[in-house]
Amino acid sequence: GQNIDQPTEMTATEGAIVQINCTYQTSGFNGLFWYQQHAGEAPTFLSYNVLDGLEEKGRFSSFLSRSKGYSYLLLKELQMKDSASYLCAVRSPNDYKLSFGAGTTVTVRA
Amino acid sequence: ETGVTQSPTHLIKTRGQQVTLRCSSQSGHNTVSWYQQALGQGPQFIFQYYREEENGRGNFPPRFSGLQFPNYSSELNVNALELDDSALYLCASSLAANNEQFFGPGTRLTVL
Repeated sequence: GQNIDQPTEMTATEGAIVQINCTYQTSGFNGLFWYQQHAGEAPTFLSYNVLDGLEEKGRFSSFLSRSKGYSYLLLKELQMKDSASYLCAVRSPNDYKLSFGAGTTVTVRA
Repeated sequence: ETGVTQSPTHLIKTRGQQVTLRCSSQSGHNTVSWYQQALGQGPQFIFQYYREEENGRGNFPPRFSGLQFPNYSSELNVNALELDDSALYLCASSLAANNEQFFGPGTRLTVL
């Protein structure tokens, strides 16, 4: 089975940094994805990790530790438009399906 | 380049009815995956189609069925609708089964 946990909500101030943690216990692993989803909209791809370590992409970075079943998404220099739900998803090796966590709602305050 | 499109955007049905949702994949993408997203939850995998064949299925009953056409567009059919089927249905396409998935805007289904 798949078990993917992430915090429900986080609040931060504009210009600050927020770290969203994701832990997973899955029957197989073929990569971990982070998506951003604004209310009422489709998820949009942010990052992909398949090997251990840090992937940096502008203001967003994602880290993976496969041995610990752990990832985080780091959002730097927060902007109001970053207020959204952030979804952690693990891909299965056989059928490539994505298993998602429930999402973390990030609220950025002025 | 046209992204993933879905129709209709919103739909209201009553219990017991049947519904068909449609998805046009991004140009050049041969793989389509369908997800159900209940309010406040992450998307749940329904099934995936690769070159017109089902290529994996999640924990959904047989009344959830699908098709993929030669142009790689896809349909999701749900029979005998139940109240719990009310959700956002997302379609995602990818260049191949193991590539990054691009999501469409979704169809909001309400079952009364």
